[in-house]
Amino acid sequence: QKEVEQNSGPLSVPEGAIASLNCTYSDRGSQSFFWYRQYSGKSPELIMSIYSNGDKEDGRFTAQLNKASQYVSLLIRDSQPSDSATYLCAVVRLIGSNYKLTFGKGTLLTVNP
Amino acid sequence: DVKVTQSSRYLVKRTGEKVFLECVQDMDHENMFWYRQDPGLGLRLIYFSYDVKMKEKGDIPEGYSVSREKKERFSLILESASTNQTSMYLCASSEVSGNIQYFGAGTRLSVL
Repeated sequence: QKEVEQNSGPLSVPEGAIASLNCTYSDRGSQSFFWYRQYSGKSPELIMSIYSNGDKEDGRFTAQLNKASQYVSLLIRDSQPSDSATYLCAVVRLIGSNYKLTFGKGTLLTVNP
Repeated sequence: DVKVTQSSRYLVKRTGEKVFLECVQDMDHENMFWYRQDPGLGLRLIYFSYDVKMKEKGDIPEGYSVSREKKERFSLILESASTNQTSMYLCASSEVSGNIQYFGAGTRLSVL
């Protein structure tokens, strides 16, 4: 099993809809979870972080974490064409004495006007 | 705002050349990272550093080396560039280990 798995997509939603992006991880000891957005040709930028079970909301974005089921998701409400990008899930694990951030391969989201 | 600056956005080099990619961060972060990103393969960690003059191998260190002589600067070196090193290279920094990483704009390297 891969350490961090995401559906590569593309995920296509109409403007104004809710986009749901999912991520699963293999290490039960994972402690911190991040969502990055990456526009084509650009570098990743952090949009959400979540550290404990439950939901965390920030504007149109909601991150959801379920450690028992080992998944983390990102909901984007009222999706806009400007949300079209690749979304990377990143998970922090303790390996030896170091923390390591592992990225999924990303899900391509397309929001259609 | 955290700023991570990579010296070049685009580079074209010839096979066998020695290539230096430079990265500077202005937030006094302890940790710095070099990744490469390729279609279908995602972000792959090449090397990282938790302190000045300290370096550790990531998942794909072969063909690369790094240098961290000053806290703010982390350099990636391709000793003898090869065509399979054509890629997007991303530098990142974080305040503490395992915390949020901030990325530079990236360097798109083409090796001909």
